[in-house]
Parts: sequence; structure tokens; C-alpha cells
Amino acid sequence: EVRVVASGGGLVQPGGSLRLSCSASGFIFSNYAMHWVRRAPGKGLECISGISNKGVETYYADSVKDRFTISRDNSKNTLNLQMSSLRPDDTAVYYCVKGWGRLLPDSFDIWGQGTMVTVSS
Amino acid sequence: SYELTQPSSVSVSPGQTARITCSGDALPIKYAYWYQQKSGQAPVLVIYEDTNRPSGIPERFSGSSSGTMATLTISGAHVEDEADYYCYSIDSNANPRGVFGGGTKLTVL
Repeated sequence: EVRVVASGGGLVQPGGSLRLSCSASGFIFSNYAMHWVRRAPGKGLECISGISNKGVETYYADSVKDRFTISRDNSKNTLNLQMSSLRPDDTAVYYCVKGWGRLLPDSFDIWGQGTMVTVSS
Repeated sequence: SYELTQPSSVSVSPGQTARITCSGDALPIKYAYWYQQKSGQAPVLVIYEDTNRPSGIPERFSGSSSGTMATLTISGAHVEDEADYYCYSIDSNANPRGVFGGGTKLTVL
């Protein structure tokens, strides 16, 4: 069974940092692009960052550029999102998503259950 | 930046056909994908590459695309189809990041 499981969410103060991780199983991780998509309360889905299968290419939404960093470890089947300078409008459920193909641009295949990030003092 | 436009809400009675549209300038040359998100759950892919249905998705879900508009059709909607639906696609400018439409709340009652 293809699974992606995100972890690392929680409550953080504005200006703080948080690292999300995603553990993948049931597929050849190194063959697929991976993504982080979020949904803020009362808002729609936003694809905020993605990385190609070998990690050569990445993208970031303007809303998180220069604050978030995506990375992957194909030897451990793990995807990460390092978030810094967090703001209240970063409050959202963050989904780890398996891509449809290897490269970018890409679309989204299997979604994890999501991890909640709350930025508040 | 590229935008996909969806109606904010669609409402049908059970058994009726629901149609959700998505308009975007690049849709004549780029595929549309459709995701269903029920309350409190993760999104699920229901249509890929304009018209294809993943395994496990009921046959009442279908997709089409013509010109700058893609359409998700639910033929004979069930109460359990009530959810938010999002279209997704990429623009024509070699942008590595795609975009979602704003989402459509489907009410079946």
C-alpha cells in the first residue's frame, strides 16, 4: 500500500521555526517528485513547495519563498520541510503528497493525512 | 500569475447531475486534475489528465475539457459526494509550480 505520513506539526510562536517530515512507503520513493500542499482555515488548497525525484529542481510559492526549504533523503524515503520566520498566516494543515511523475511541473497522486501547524503567541 | 477559476458553490439534490467548471487560459494545452476533499479528510484524486478516473473512484465521476474550460461531472450525485472540489493545472510558461482553483463547495441535499 502506498503511504505518506507527515509529522512535526504543532504550536509555534511568530518568528519561530518548525521542521516537518514525511515518511513514505509502498513505492519507489526515488522515482517520484514530492510536494507539500497546505490548507489554511477557511481557505483553499495551496501548493507551497515541491522537489523533483533526484532533488535537482524545487519550487516554492511566493508566500513561503526564502523562508521555507524543501529537501529529501532518498536513502531514507523521507521528505522534509524546514520552516522559519513563521507568521500567523502560515497556520494551516500541511499535507505531504506523492507526485504523479519524476520531474517538475507535476501533479498530485497520493496525499497523507496532514499535520497541523499553528503559529500564534 | 496563472489562475484557475471555479464557482464557489454548486448545489444539487440527490440523484441529480452536478457539474463543476474550471476555467484557465492554458487548459487548451495543459491537463486538468480534480481533487475531492471531504470535511476533516485529506484530498483524493478523482480525475486525472482531463478525463481519466483512478481505480476505486465511482463511475459517476467523469471529466471533460473543451477550450479554456474543464468540467467535473457527477452523474446521479450521492449525499456522500458532498465535499470541496479543486481543479489543478499548470500554466504554459515552463513554471515548475502548478496552481489550484479556488475550490467549489458541492452541497447534495
